[in-house]
Amino acid sequence: GENVEQHPSTLSVQEGDSAVIKCTYSDSASNYFPWYKQELGKRPQLIIDIRSNVGEKKDQRIAVTLNKTAKHFSLHITETQPEDSAVYFCAASTEGGSEKLVFGKGTKLTVNP
Amino acid sequence: SQTIHQWPATLVQPVGSPLSLECTVEGTSNPNLYWYRQAAGRGLQLLFYSVGIGQISSEVPQNLSASRPQDRQFILSSKKLLLSDSGFYLCAWSVFRPGLYGYTFGSGTRLTVV
Repeated sequence: GENVEQHPSTLSVQEGDSAVIKCTYSDSASNYFPWYKQELGKRPQLIIDIRSNVGEKKDQRIAVTLNKTAKHFSLHITETQPEDSAVYFCAASTEGGSEKLVFGKGTKLTVNP
Repeated sequence: SQTIHQWPATLVQPVGSPLSLECTVEGTSNPNLYWYRQAAGRGLQLLFYSVGIGQISSEVPQNLSASRPQDRQFILSSKKLLLSDSGFYLCAWSVFRPGLYGYTFGSGTRLTVV
């Protein structure tokens, strides 16, 4: 089955700096890669996703890149703000069938003012 | 619009008591449904998924069971809770259709077994 590895587990940056979180996946059939932000005690919220027919996607300060050959994808947050502090999860899934979403273990991002 | 309802929001149950958590979906038909558990400070572990009424697949052996009596209803149950069943339980659905794809999570149930 699919296995998703996520690094780093914790990340501390200064406000205004960039943050990068990296994930690798094992199943070459995976073709949908969402990223979630989870604040303490709340449900995960989708912040950006990418499908395997695209190499990069950007939404304001957030971007995701996908390298299908190497089976890794990354989240990039620019101009970080204190409200970006949260736990971020990457995930991988395959459209069709069970469409199970397999998560990485999460990255706790702290943005220091 | 597609919405997902999950209740209760919090629950404190004694060891050995039964459990029933319910999740219902609105605005979509024949979704795939999922139950995830998140232990304190940990990641999300898939417990069960369902691709249709009465079709349940278990991902990990455990003290819990799931049922899908209706297309848009997914229930998580236990006959006797263990301390290790404590955690944040999340229901989710997925839809992959042209112009609409992805997953939506319910607001979660925080279960504390005492």
